Amino acid sequence: GAVVSQHPSWVICKSGTSVKIECRSLDFQATTMFWYRQFPKQSLMLMATSNEGSKATYEQGVEKDKFLINHASLTLSTLTVTSAHPEDSSFYICSAGPSVGYEQYFGPGTRLTVT
Amino acid sequence: QKEVEQNSGPLSVPEGAIASLNCTYSDRGSQSFFWYRQYSGKSPELIMSIYSNGDKEDGRFTAQLNKASQYVSLLIRDSQPSDSATYLCAVTRPPYNNNDMRFGAGTRLTVKP
Repeated sequence: GAVVSQHPSWVICKSGTSVKIECRSLDFQATTMFWYRQFPKQSLMLMATSNEGSKATYEQGVEKDKFLINHASLTLSTLTVTSAHPEDSSFYICSAGPSVGYEQYFGPGTRLTVT
Repeated sequence: QKEVEQNSGPLSVPEGAIASLNCTYSDRGSQSFFWYRQYSGKSPELIMSIYSNGDKEDGRFTAQLNKASQYVSLLIRDSQPSDSATYLCAVTRPPYNNNDMRFGAGTRLTVKP
């Protein structure tokens, strides 16, 4: 299967600071990548769809000014959590797929803790 | 009605038994269907994909799709304790020009030795 990586795997930051998470497709190109958030014992929640060369599409209720997404190339999307607060502490996971309409592959996730 | 519905479980089966996981979806236009396994604290991993009606087998796993009934299932034969995880059903959604899909809430499976 295709490989998606994320960096960092975990990060601790102080309230009010910003954190950037990278998502890379290692062996394929992805015009679209997806960002999810998952709180403990809860289901995946799609946050936004990252589109290469254009603006991201955010799901209802997700603050686009707080969660900045940049899809600068066909293999890299970044999610920046701005002015992080403790309630932003969560497991952030990206996904991408090499072919439209077929499988998505998930990155290993980034665990964010805001103190 | 949720786009993708699964029984949250927990589903408990003894080792060696068949585990049956079910999923229904609301959009008749969906074309692609997937099962992911998620261990606690880890990200989901793809275990099966199915695109046409009928059964698809891969090792101990069999995916079944019935588009008329808007139903997809996953059977795990000879269940092992290592199969204990949450299983997520995913279905593609409109406009079908990217890989956007919706996930069910997941069914937690426990296989008891």
